[in-house]
Amino acid sequence: DSGVTQTPKHLITATGQRVTLRCSPRSGDLSVYWYQQSLDQGLQFLIQYYNGEERAKGNILERFSAQQFPDLHSELNLSSLELGDSALYFCASSVVEPAGELFFGEGSRLTVL
Amino acid sequence: EDQVTQSPEALRLQEGESSSLNCSYTVSGLRGLFWYRQDPGKGPEFLFTLYSAGEEKEKERLKATLTKKESFLHITAPKPEDSATYLCAVPQRGKDTGRRALTFGSGTRLQVQP
Repeated sequence: DSGVTQTPKHLITATGQRVTLRCSPRSGDLSVYWYQQSLDQGLQFLIQYYNGEERAKGNILERFSAQQFPDLHSELNLSSLELGDSALYFCASSVVEPAGELFFGEGSRLTVL
Repeated sequence: EDQVTQSPEALRLQEGESSSLNCSYTVSGLRGLFWYRQDPGKGPEFLFTLYSAGEEKEKERLKATLTKKESFLHITAPKPEDSATYLCAVPQRGKDTGRRALTFGSGTRLQVQP
């Protein structure tokens, strides 16, 4: 158990819909990272927050957005969903940033039908 | 653009049959190379950090080494519980990332048969 909690574990929705994925980092970790993992793309970095502030942005689509709240939990919002958005979405946290030792949650599996 | 390439894509070993996984990288000014293990349906789990050529780290049956161009993950006398996907990663240098995020390789899927 990494100490990082992600909800929901599984989510099935239709194209065009919007979903929110939630992440609670390990106690004391200020930095939160979001990654997308699909079969053909591997693990792709989306966005990082540190203590509520956006610090780095990767290949995140404009339809996706995220934020980190004062209690340090983070949410990833995915809108106008397409079939290709089906993937595992991982949240990871770390004490410091930049960090190579990340603690990953178990992921949220999104299926878009 | 910083890249990491892992080989082989998949590897099947018999229990006790030692082997090595490769991670080649093209990064200017390496600031660490990281190995992770990922079990099916789970998040990656951190294994090792290597910072400089010649450095080695060990954990149970795993030993990671680093040269100026690549890293190896040596698995000695593997057991079925070592079956997993092994990922290597480097800090990602991008327009918006400032090396704050990790670029992961596509992984080596290891299967150890009893």
